[in-house]
Amino acid sequence: DGGITQSPKYLFRKEGQNVTLSCEQNLNHDAMYWYRQDPGQGLRLIYYSQIVNDFQKGDIAEGYSVSREKKESFPLTVTSAQKNPTAFYLCASSARTAQETQYFGPGTRLLVL
Amino acid sequence: KQEVTQIPAALSVPEGENLVLNCSFTDSAIYNLQWFRQDPGKGLTSLLLIQSSQREQTSGRLNASLDKSSGRSTLYIAASQPGDSATYLCAVNGGSNYKLTFGKGTLLTVNP
Repeated sequence: DGGITQSPKYLFRKEGQNVTLSCEQNLNHDAMYWYRQDPGQGLRLIYYSQIVNDFQKGDIAEGYSVSREKKESFPLTVTSAQKNPTAFYLCASSARTAQETQYFGPGTRLLVL
Repeated sequence: KQEVTQIPAALSVPEGENLVLNCSFTDSAIYNLQWFRQDPGKGLTSLLLIQSSQREQTSGRLNASLDKSSGRSTLYIAASQPGDSATYLCAVNGGSNYKLTFGKGTLLTVNP
């Protein structure tokens, strides 16, 4: 089955802790994206990557970091600098650009202890 | 700056009814528009992608129309079923290689 997997489904962060959210795709897509979804708000773009070893900041990148060492993988780290990390995080991919259909993973819900 | 609005925020209908969900956008210079479905606590599933040169797209009981000049799109669902209950989001691409602008969604409940 082709698709996007995210893990874990739920993640708990303590104060001052960095946590990493996993995103893997087997669709052979070049482009990958991280979004944050808060209640009552539209999805907001955190980071995106259009090719291996390259990534760019989206609209709300502060307090987050990413890497793209493999085509299949685009992990997101929520750092201690992100003061309001509680949200639902969604990873997506598309063949090359955002002008094509985006396919989403099941999401990770991050909660702060 | 592109803004996308979806009205109503929530809609409840009896099973079997035909219904229309609305999406409006402020900048008509778009490349395409996508409709997604999101079940509670889940990711988004793409339903339809309609290019700026198209007037409509159909998939099964779903039909999406696009009127670029007026900045509007509608998603028509025929013969609604309880399984259609979900949040429906529209997203606009303005020609960017990376950016979609999302609306906040319409929460649809179809009652048996």
